[in-house]
Amino acid sequence: ETGVTQTPRHLVMGMTNKKSLKCEQHLGHNAMYWYKQSAKKPLELMFVYSLEERVENNSVPSRFSPECPNSSHLFLHLHTLQPEDSALYLCASSQDIRGGNQPQHFGDGTRLSIL
Amino acid sequence: KQEVTQIPAALSVPEGENLVLNCSFTDSAIYNLQWFRQDPGKGLTSLLLIQSSQREQTSGRLNASLDKSSGRSTLYIAASQPGDSATYLCAVRGAGTALIFGKGTTLSVSS
Repeated sequence: ETGVTQTPRHLVMGMTNKKSLKCEQHLGHNAMYWYKQSAKKPLELMFVYSLEERVENNSVPSRFSPECPNSSHLFLHLHTLQPEDSALYLCASSQDIRGGNQPQHFGDGTRLSIL
Repeated sequence: KQEVTQIPAALSVPEGENLVLNCSFTDSAIYNLQWFRQDPGKGLTSLLLIQSSQREQTSGRLNASLDKSSGRSTLYIAASQPGDSATYLCAVRGAGTALIFGKGTTLSVSS
């Protein structure tokens, strides 16, 4: 089983819909991350959770709402999205948020398209 | 604000060639630098992580170097194969929790 699993792999939604992205990690890590990858732009960090507490929120619009019920699961709730929100949303995990020698492990992402 | 630049943006080579991908960053105060591979429609696979105190890391045909003072890293791929075709991303971690990514180099290796 892969270390970080994201569902769904693809999602098409209208601007008024509400949907959620799910991420699950099986690595025993304590930190989880949401990144956004738009066409022709670098990956951008959206949120960081450490031991289920949000520790970073990079000026993300409120139409994106993260939830971390436990250290293995991370959700991204979506509501009233805009066409420019169409992107690949990647989840990652690491042992914890400290330390300089801990790689982040990524899932395969959810490809989101807003109609 | 940390910025990461990768050159070239795209590269096409015949099979068997040795090649170098370049990454530069503007703030030398980093904890580590990580190279990733991304296949189309997929997530990121970590290739190598170099701590700030290290100069290089090797894994199989891959060798990554780090010159922190000049803000540069290179990823050397020996004897390239068609299976190496992918986008290669460089990311640095500073004092915060975030990885700051470059836009990547898209590599195509022809047989």
